[in-house]
Amino acid sequence: DAKTTQPNSMESNEEEPVHLPCNHSTISGTDYIHWYRQLPSQGPEYVIHGLTSNVNNRMASLAIAEDRKSSTLILHRATLRDAAVYYCILRDGNTDKLIFGTGTRLQVFP
Amino acid sequence: NAGVMQNPRHLVRRRGQEARLRCSPMKGHSHVYWYRQLPEEGLKFMVYLQKENIIDESGMPKERFSAEFPKEGPSILRIQQVVRGDSAAYFCASSPRTAGSNQPQHFGDGTRLSIL
Repeated sequence: DAKTTQPNSMESNEEEPVHLPCNHSTISGTDYIHWYRQLPSQGPEYVIHGLTSNVNNRMASLAIAEDRKSSTLILHRATLRDAAVYYCILRDGNTDKLIFGTGTRLQVFP
Repeated sequence: NAGVMQNPRHLVRRRGQEARLRCSPMKGHSHVYWYRQLPEEGLKFMVYLQKENIIDESGMPKERFSAEFPKEGPSILRIQQVVRGDSAAYFCASSPRTAGSNQPQHFGDGTRLSIL
């Protein structure tokens, strides 16, 4: 399984943009980049995913480097509710399971 | 739209007892996944089931653990003769069809199992 590397923790102030990085230098051509987040005492929640092009949805944006060896999850205006652990996960078309790392714990300050 | 429902939310068992964790997938979803999360760690995949079939149980301990997803009713994760090391949060997820790279998994809020 391809591995991802994320910072253990990050901090942000409310209403500021947040850029959460993820390195995946061993990514293969068929791997999709998925992001989930886990709020305290809850199950993980799907955020966004992409293959090569940048992606936007109502929750966040995903910026993927041209060589695909890194990506960045962008929260445009952090709120207190965005405080969570964010997981960057690589999935290929041959597997159904999600391989979680330790993620990035995002703290948001008022 | 009801999400993935897990019950109980909290379960306390004594060593040697059996634990049964239930998971009702989202309506229309026929694929179920179980994950385990130890304190301060990420989730670890255990088993993937479709109706009446185990597709991938590569993450399931070989002894004491079993899972089923019958034609009718919820998926059940069963742990026999529990030990202290089984204390963890157990999460269930579902997806609508064969999960490929484009299908997100929808998670329940987990069952927190505590072994006395």
